[in-house]
Amino acid sequence: QKEVEQDPGPLSVPEGAIVSLNCTYSNSAFQYFMWYRQYSRKGPELLMYTYSSGNKEDGRFTAQVDKSSKYISLFIRDSQPSDSATYLCAMTGAGNNRKLIWGLGTSLAVNP
Amino acid sequence: NAGVTQTPKFQVLKTGQSMTLQCAQDMNHEYMSWYRQDPGMGLRLIHYSVGAGITDQGEVPNGYNVSRSTTEDFPLRLLSAAPSQTSVYFCASSYETGEQFFGPGTRLTVL
Repeated sequence: QKEVEQDPGPLSVPEGAIVSLNCTYSNSAFQYFMWYRQYSRKGPELLMYTYSSGNKEDGRFTAQVDKSSKYISLFIRDSQPSDSATYLCAMTGAGNNRKLIWGLGTSLAVNP
Repeated sequence: NAGVTQTPKFQVLKTGQSMTLQCAQDMNHEYMSWYRQDPGMGLRLIHYSVGAGITDQGEVPNGYNVSRSTTEDFPLRLLSAAPSQTSVYFCASSYETGEQFFGPGTRLTVL
């Protein structure tokens, strides 16, 4: 079993839909949780960063962390065709020496 | 502020050739890392460094060498290229709290 599980999709939604992307993990020591967006043929770019449990909102994006369930989510409101990309979750914790553990990524297509 | 830069963008090698992928960052980050990304395999850590003069192996280090003589630079050397090393290579640098910032990548093909 991988330390971080992420459904690879692909996920296809109409423009304006609310998108929910999820990762589960097994290591209770993880404390720092990240979401990255990767456009085709580009490097991953940091989208959201969350420490410990709770919610964080940035514009149309909301990141949620539920440490009791070992589950993190990224919500995209009013999705746009420009949101079409692969979304990767990543996490780390004390003792990981800042090494990130990555999900495989979920491919999202937002159709106009 | 250029962030993380990588050269070259594309490279074709023949089996057995060696080459160095360059990576530089201007954010004064202590932590730097090299990944390869292959379809269905996600990002896999090759080598990483927690500061100048300190390097360590990641998940898939075989066939690659690194060194870190300065905070800014972290080159990746392929010693004797093999077709299995055909991949997209990303360099990243990081704050202490873990957020990593990626370069644009190098697409490598080994024939």
